[in-house]
Amino acid sequence: DAKTTQPPSMDCAEGRAANLPCNHSTISGNEYVYWYRQIHSQGPQYIIHGLKNNETNEMASLIITEDRKSSTLILPHATLRDTAVYYCIVRVGDAGNMLTFGGGTRLMVKP
Amino acid sequence: SAVISQKPSRDICQRGTSLTIQCQVDSQVTMMFWYRQQPGQSLTLIATANQGSEATYESGFVIDKFPISRPNLTFSTLTVSNMSPEDSSIYLCSVPIRNNYNEQFFGPGTRLTVL
Repeated sequence: DAKTTQPPSMDCAEGRAANLPCNHSTISGNEYVYWYRQIHSQGPQYIIHGLKNNETNEMASLIITEDRKSSTLILPHATLRDTAVYYCIVRVGDAGNMLTFGGGTRLMVKP
Repeated sequence: SAVISQKPSRDICQRGTSLTIQCQVDSQVTMMFWYRQQPGQSLTLIATANQGSEATYESGFVIDKFPISRPNLTFSTLTVSNMSPEDSSIYLCSVPIRNNYNEQFFGPGTRLTVL
């Protein structure tokens, strides 16, 4: 799986949009970009994934650059409960393929 | 989706002893993954457990230290053998669900402290 690079930490004010960047310059054509988050003392939780088009669901939006070498996860209105470590992972799409976790970004949402 | 439970949720153990961690899933799954998360670190895959075959271990993990059982499609155990303080970690199981999102669902984890 391709390697990802994320900033180690970010702060965001409650109610504002949180924009979490991820670089994946060695991504290959059949690899998807997945985002998971881990709230303290819990197992990781799936957020969203995409191949090349932008995606949106009830939790977040995913913006993937045209060359697919980077992406941004957007939490449109961050709440205190969004404080977590966010992991950007690239892998071939089948669920049976393991997830390789990098360092992630520790997002702190502040009141 | 999948509901995953793990037992115990946490334990404090003496060095040299062994602990078996259970993972129960509410549906039948072919593959189960076991991860380790050392304090302040990210998750590292220990092994993949398939029902009916030997587990496949990642580099740096061996069967003698982390034996795995997979007796049926809803259950697995991971044993941490001959423990040392360096084994203090959170151990998590996860299962892949081939839905529209090809997600992996994670259990709540077992927090192990070795004294």
